[in-house]
Amino acid sequence: GQQLNQSPQSMFIQEGEDVSMNCTSSSIFNTWLWYKQDPGEGPVLLIALYKAGELTSNGRLTAQFGITRKDSFLNISASIPSDVGIYFCAGFPSSGAGSYQLTFGKGTKLSVIP
Amino acid sequence: DVKVTQSSRYLVKRTGEKVFLECVQDMDHENMFWYRQDPGLGLRLIYFSYDVKMKEKGDIPEGYSVSREKKERFSLILESASTNQTSMYLCASTLTKVGSEQYFGPGTRLTVT
Repeated sequence: GQQLNQSPQSMFIQEGEDVSMNCTSSSIFNTWLWYKQDPGEGPVLLIALYKAGELTSNGRLTAQFGITRKDSFLNISASIPSDVGIYFCAGFPSSGAGSYQLTFGKGTKLSVIP
Repeated sequence: DVKVTQSSRYLVKRTGEKVFLECVQDMDHENMFWYRQDPGLGLRLIYFSYDVKMKEKGDIPEGYSVSREKKERFSLILESASTNQTSMYLCASTLTKVGSEQYFGPGTRLTVT
């Protein structure tokens, strides 16, 4: 199936720093979702995006639906230790047999150094 | 709040056993999904269901079956567990078929020995 390219694969940052990660695709997506997963737990939905150019915030998290509809970005401001985890992007392609199935990125593993 | 629950957080089963993983959602969602998650392979779709008694194969259905007798409940069945089915199993649900938010359960860590 389709793949989303998520980068970076991992990040080590100091507490208080801002974080950016992104997800790209070779095809157009209709919906972008961002999740956080803690070890041994299921992914938790952070932000959902439905329109090209849309910018949505959830506390210190901000995500954007790229204008080309082929990418999305997640920013975390002023990171804190509890931000540690794996962040996944996911999306629904705009057409084709896979348009009803969520496509996932491989995740960005975030480590925060106190 | 959307709630997706899974019957067990941890399971240990022997090779050849029949295994049932249960998932329940309380938001009247139409669609339910079963994934497995393995290091380096990410999330892979096993089966999904768009309606009661309806099921469709995902990317890796071999060795699994599913049952959806009620709208809120979606079961994953391993007919004869094998060691390569040791994994984290995640259930999810969405309100509509396309483009809506997908909510996950807490996961079941299954070990087959």
